[in-house]
Amino acid sequence: AQKITQTQPGMFVQEKEAVTLDCTYDTSDPSYGLFWYKQPSSGEMIFLIYQGSYDQQNATEGRYSLNFQKARKSANLVISASQLGDSAMYFCAMRVLYNTDKLIFGTGTRLQVFP
Amino acid sequence: DAGVIQSPRHEVTEMGQEVTLRCKPISGHNSLFWYRQTMMRGLELLIYFNNNVPIDDSGMPEDRFSAKMPNASFSTLKIQPSEPRDSAVYFCASSLTQHTDTQYFGPGTRLTVL
Repeated sequence: AQKITQTQPGMFVQEKEAVTLDCTYDTSDPSYGLFWYKQPSSGEMIFLIYQGSYDQQNATEGRYSLNFQKARKSANLVISASQLGDSAMYFCAMRVLYNTDKLIFGTGTRLQVFP
Repeated sequence: DAGVIQSPRHEVTEMGQEVTLRCKPISGHNSLFWYRQTMMRGLELLIYFNNNVPIDDSGMPEDRFSAKMPNASFSTLKIQPSEPRDSAVYFCASSLTQHTDTQYFGPGTRLTVL
């Protein structure tokens, strides 16, 4: 069965510092995609970054990067130079490709950035 | 470009009433998804469509829930009759194609059933 685990219910980081949000996944399928979404207090789900299981390099999108360690089945999100506006819930999600379009979400990590 | 549009943004209703949630996917997207978010269960997929056809409705909790997609630009999720345990945020998302593309979410509908 596919599963996403986010073990950090809450994280604090000082503005301008980097922070890593942990995500581990479980699947026996070789083809899958990993996603990170941000949910601010306003409630919308904002797509941040995607990593395919066959991608050779770690994905990056601006200040976001995904530390993909396939052997460890981890897909941690790294936010560099944190900003106050980064305070939000962050969800890791997985989709097993060519099987189902269902996104399986973790329980989320609440990040708070302080000045 | 407009993102996924959902209406209403907030809905408060009384137990037993019919509730209809609406979604307009991103133009050109062929797959549409309905998710529900609660504190207890997190985010869970209810149903998804590809080219207007329901593909997987295994997440629909019970017969009180139904979803339709009469055309490529509109979908509804209906709850009849509604119950207090249906209170949640309902998200609609769309993606360009099946399987490989990112799902983009709408702003959600916060449903409260009294």
